Amino acid sequence: NAGVTQTPKFQVLKTGQSMTLQCAQDMNHEYMSWYRQDPGMGLRLIHYSVGAGITDQGEVPNGYNVSRSTTEDFPLRLLSAAPSQTSVYFCASRPGQGSNQPQHFGDGTRLSIL
Amino acid sequence: DQQVKQNSPSLSVQEGRISILNCDYTNSMFDYFLWYKKYPAEGPTFLISISSIKDKNEDGRFTVFLNKSAKHLSLHIVPSQPGDSAVYFCAAQGGIKLVFGAGTILRVKS
Repeated sequence: NAGVTQTPKFQVLKTGQSMTLQCAQDMNHEYMSWYRQDPGMGLRLIHYSVGAGITDQGEVPNGYNVSRSTTEDFPLRLLSAAPSQTSVYFCASRPGQGSNQPQHFGDGTRLSIL
Repeated sequence: DQQVKQNSPSLSVQEGRISILNCDYTNSMFDYFLWYKKYPAEGPTFLISISSIKDKNEDGRFTVFLNKSAKHLSLHIVPSQPGDSAVYFCAAQGGIKLVFGAGTILRVKS
C-alpha cells in the first residue's frame, strides 16, 4: 500500500550543486505535481504533469526542471541549488487532470541549501 | 496575490468543544474545495471536500460549509480530540491546479 513515495527524506546541498528529488506512485494516477512548503506560505505549486510526456509550470517554477517519461515517476531536478530553495518538497498525485478527486501526497523531502 | 486565505495562523480549543477553521477565496472559478490535515514530518492527508454545487458536506466529526456568495468556507470539528492537533490547509481547485492557503495550526487541549 505504498501510494506516493518520495526519496530522499532529507538532503543537504551546497550552493551550486544539482540534485534530483524522486517521486513514484503506484496508483496509476494521470496527474502528478510538485509543491514546496515554506513557513507562512502554505504549499506552492512548482510543476505539474497531466500524463506521461506532458509537463507544465506552476506558480514557482524557476530553478526547477521536471520530466514525465512514465506514468509512475515524476522527478524534480534542481539545476544549481540556491539557499532560497531550502524548503520541504511534496509530491502529489490524483486520478485525472479534471477530476474532482483529492490529491494524495508523499511524506516530503526536507532540503537544506548551504 | 493570495487566492486562498486562512487568516488565523493558530487556534486553541478545549477537548470536547467545537473547532471552527475558516478559509476565504477570491477566484470565483474555483469549483472544488478541500481540507487537508498535516502532522509534523508527514505529508498532508485529505480530510474532506465539497463541490461548489453543495453548501455542506459531513463526514463523521468533520463538516465543511461553503458560502459561495461570501467566497468563504469553514471546517467544523465536533467534538474536538487531542489527536486532531495538526496543521489544517484549505485548498481550492478550478480546472487543473490546486491552490492552498497558508494553514492554521490547531491545538486541542485535554
